[in-house]
Amino acid sequence: KAGVTQTPRYLIKTRGQQVTLSCSPISGHRSVSWYQQTPGQGLQFLFEYFSETQRNKGNFPGRFSGRQFSNSRSEMNVSTLELGDSALYLCASSPVIAGGFYNEQFFGPGTRLTVL
Amino acid sequence: AQSVTQLGSHVSVSEGALVLLRCNYSSSVPPYLFWYVQYPNQGLQLLLKYTTGATLVKGINGFEAEFKKSETSFHLTKPSAHMSDAAEYFCAVSGLVPTSGTYKYIFGTGTRLKVLA
Repeated sequence: KAGVTQTPRYLIKTRGQQVTLSCSPISGHRSVSWYQQTPGQGLQFLFEYFSETQRNKGNFPGRFSGRQFSNSRSEMNVSTLELGDSALYLCASSPVIAGGFYNEQFFGPGTRLTVL
Repeated sequence: AQSVTQLGSHVSVSEGALVLLRCNYSSSVPPYLFWYVQYPNQGLQLLLKYTTGATLVKGINGFEAEFKKSETSFHLTKPSAHMSDAAEYFCAVSGLVPTSGTYKYIFGTGTRLKVLA
């Protein structure tokens, strides 16, 4: 099976712009989660989508949003970019076990966003 | 609420020495516990996981971890470090979100392992 893919791998934007990142999960995985990783804050959970519905959400401002399509592909959008949004954005997909418990997450390589 | 604490943001070991990375968790329900590894410029890769059953869990690349409920720990070990083990390691617990009744991952802050020649 192909792994989780994320596009683009690298992105440079300026303050005030918006950006859309894309994630294609492993075939058959219906849960997709997004994380922000920075040297100072570590790995922080953004949100999780399951069957096109946002199921969990982290503590990020409303500038961060996402969606999931019927084929489980997901996008996240960041509007009005700030310098502090520079980070590695990781997407992870997961097979959902009966009862809703998580099994392991499978991570993509990430999108490195630089905001100038 | 669930939480994960990784002791030591940086750990250095000599090649061939024992690797011990510490992880303690807090969970009000039986936890699902995971260790992930991240190499530079890559995503996270699962090393091993504990869900139920045997408390000593073996993973890839010679790593293993033992679930100790009485100590609320899930430390990662490897008998003999190799240069290729240099990476960042994350402990995670699958935790219940009370408001939604669903589960989400909670990651520790990570431990960067350096292997000295």
